Amino acid sequence: EIVMTQSPATLSVSPGERATLSCRASQSVSRNLAWYQQKPGQAPRLLIYRASNTATGIPARFSGSGSGTEFTLTISGLQSEDFAVYYCQQYNNWPPYTFGQGTKLEIK
Amino acid sequence: EVQVVESGGGLVQPGGSLRLSCEASGFTFSSYNMHWVRQATGRGLEWVSGIGPAGDTFYSGSVKGRFTISRENAKNSLYLQMNSLRVGDTAVYYCARATYEGDFDHWGQGTLVTVSS
Repeated sequence: EIVMTQSPATLSVSPGERATLSCRASQSVSRNLAWYQQKPGQAPRLLIYRASNTATGIPARFSGSGSGTEFTLTISGLQSEDFAVYYCQQYNNWPPYTFGQGTKLEIK
Repeated sequence: EVQVVESGGGLVQPGGSLRLSCEASGFTFSSYNMHWVRQATGRGLEWVSGIGPAGDTFYSGSVKGRFTISRENAKNSLYLQMNSLRVGDTAVYYCARATYEGDFDHWGQGTLVTVSS
């Protein structure tokens, strides 16, 4: 089973600034990596697929990069609606699909 | 518009059973892999089970032998039969559609399963 590790657990950033979230896989997942956003009481929402492709309807301030075992989600010009929990997920080797434990992005 | 809507959650005693349903609309259901993902209160996301268009099934180790995923393409419906439920199965259960790439692009609002005596 591939273990996904996200860092940091909590990230405090001011509105308008840039947030950088990291995700590491215990073995290569190629570019088969997705990022999701989840707000309290809501279902997860797909942001990024194939490591760097932005999902339909997602603002351009969200971007993803990386391959193999190291991945990054960058949110530029943070807006109030961006403060949420973010999860990475690998779908290279499954079952099982595996998620990171999440990074909580909070307002500084 | 693509939609998936779960139902069937509730309170059940340890050792009991429950059947979750997920009704899909707005896309050709029979062409997609579908999955169940759960989330315990205050915890992260955990993949539970998936099923291919032709009915091939996949399970996480924590539910294999206790849960059964199935689909009825004619009714655009996905199911999860949960037997021998444990307190640790308590969670919100989400139904999700997988793209051909493998990511999960549409999720339902979730249904809460509580296993408690």
